[in-house]
Amino acid sequence: DGGITQSPKYLFRKEGQNVTLSCEQNLNHDAMYWYRQDPGQGLRLIYYSQIVNDFQKGDIAEGYSVSREKKESFPLTVTSAQKNPTAFYLCASPKEAGDQNTEAFFGQGTRLTVV
Amino acid sequence: GQQVMQIPQYQHVQEGEDFTTYCNSSTTLSNIQWYKQRPGGHPVFLIQLVKSGEVKKQKRLTFQFGEAKKNSSLHITATQTTDVGTYFCAGRSGGYNKLIFGAGTRLAVHP
Repeated sequence: DGGITQSPKYLFRKEGQNVTLSCEQNLNHDAMYWYRQDPGQGLRLIYYSQIVNDFQKGDIAEGYSVSREKKESFPLTVTSAQKNPTAFYLCASPKEAGDQNTEAFFGQGTRLTVV
Repeated sequence: GQQVMQIPQYQHVQEGEDFTTYCNSSTTLSNIQWYKQRPGGHPVFLIQLVKSGEVKKQKRLTFQFGEAKKNSSLHITATQTTDVGTYFCAGRSGGYNKLIFGAGTRLAVHP
């Protein structure tokens, strides 16, 4: 069935390591987004992509990188430059229709912990 | 840049009481969406409002979009324990091609 798949569900990273979070969608949507959520906090936009081979920085892009080589995939790399990476990461894909958004579908999230 | 602010941050009610969360944008929005995130879960879409002054209802939930398309509210009548979670508004204005979320309002309902 259609949706957003994030993996892994839980991820542990040692300090100084880069890690990559996977996000795959089979909804045939053009747009994909990455958000970060800290305990008791809202969703902060890291990176977003409106179309394959293009992406834009969000509000908190420092220490993160992305690629969008395929429409279905939008992986997020948390680099060693991200000083406080422990958080819940959510991938989303809005169904764009011209200038209007319709609903955004979210993955189940990846909980990243630095050990 | 575009900002979406949401208040209150947290609300604790007794079951049966009403609840309202408010959302304000620094820019005029083309539309506004509302999501609910249950504890430990991911945000799930509730509704989208597009027209100035629009009001939509879903059972005990009432959603409003302001006349200036810069603010919105979600009102829950007679809360139930199943309403527990965090409610987010999200909007996009014409000049910005990104979906921005408010900080959310966490609702606790005590039986």
